[in-house]
Amino acid sequence: QLQLQESGPGLVKPSETLSLTCTVSGGSISSTSYYWGWIRQPPGKGLELIGSFYYSGSTYYNPSLKSRVTISVDTSKNHFSLKLSSVTAADTAVYYCARADYFYYYMDVWGKGTTVTVSS
Amino acid sequence: QTVVTQEPSFSVSPGGTVTLTCGLSSGSVSTSNYPSWYQQTPGQAPRTLIYRTYTRSSGVPDRFSGSILGSKAALTITGAQADDECDYHCVLYMGSGTWVFGGGTKLTVL
Repeated sequence: QLQLQESGPGLVKPSETLSLTCTVSGGSISSTSYYWGWIRQPPGKGLELIGSFYYSGSTYYNPSLKSRVTISVDTSKNHFSLKLSSVTAADTAVYYCARADYFYYYMDVWGKGTTVTVSS
Repeated sequence: QTVVTQEPSFSVSPGGTVTLTCGLSSGSVSTSNYPSWYQQTPGQAPRTLIYRTYTRSSGVPDRFSGSILGSKAALTITGAQADDECDYHCVLYMGSGTWVFGGGTKLTVL
């Protein structure tokens, strides 16, 4: 059973860089059958795709965040990471990592999510 | 920028039927957008209900069904139960590994 686990600081100061890691267990991040991605949900609001990637190296970022986002992959550790720079209070959210089916294009496995608060 | 529209809130009586919809700010939703639906209770991660427009995820009761109605994707819940009261999110695939989420619908069962 594939599981995803987000980890990282729960509190980040304004203007600093938010860094999170998603550790994948029970499956390989190098699988040709899936995309992997980061999704966030500000308090009381809807879900928003931050970015996604495919094992081949193709990476896609939400245009509204593109200038501040980097998603990287470490296949040796079977995990992928998110960096979001120059954060503000608007970046306060629950951050989820998820796996998306490559053939039917839906999120089939989600992490439990981690809350990140941007505050001084 | 593409916007996916959902009703912000909806209400249904216990045992009743409700249809939630998912549209595009410009254009129609089609099966090529591979509409998927997710159920989310407070404090929990989303749970997949429907994918590829119509297909129920494993373990999802057949009270939940997906379709295309006119220019929108739709999620229909028949025989609504108290524990169906939560948020429902629609997601559309836009190609090249990108998805757009709707704002979610808060369903009340009363």
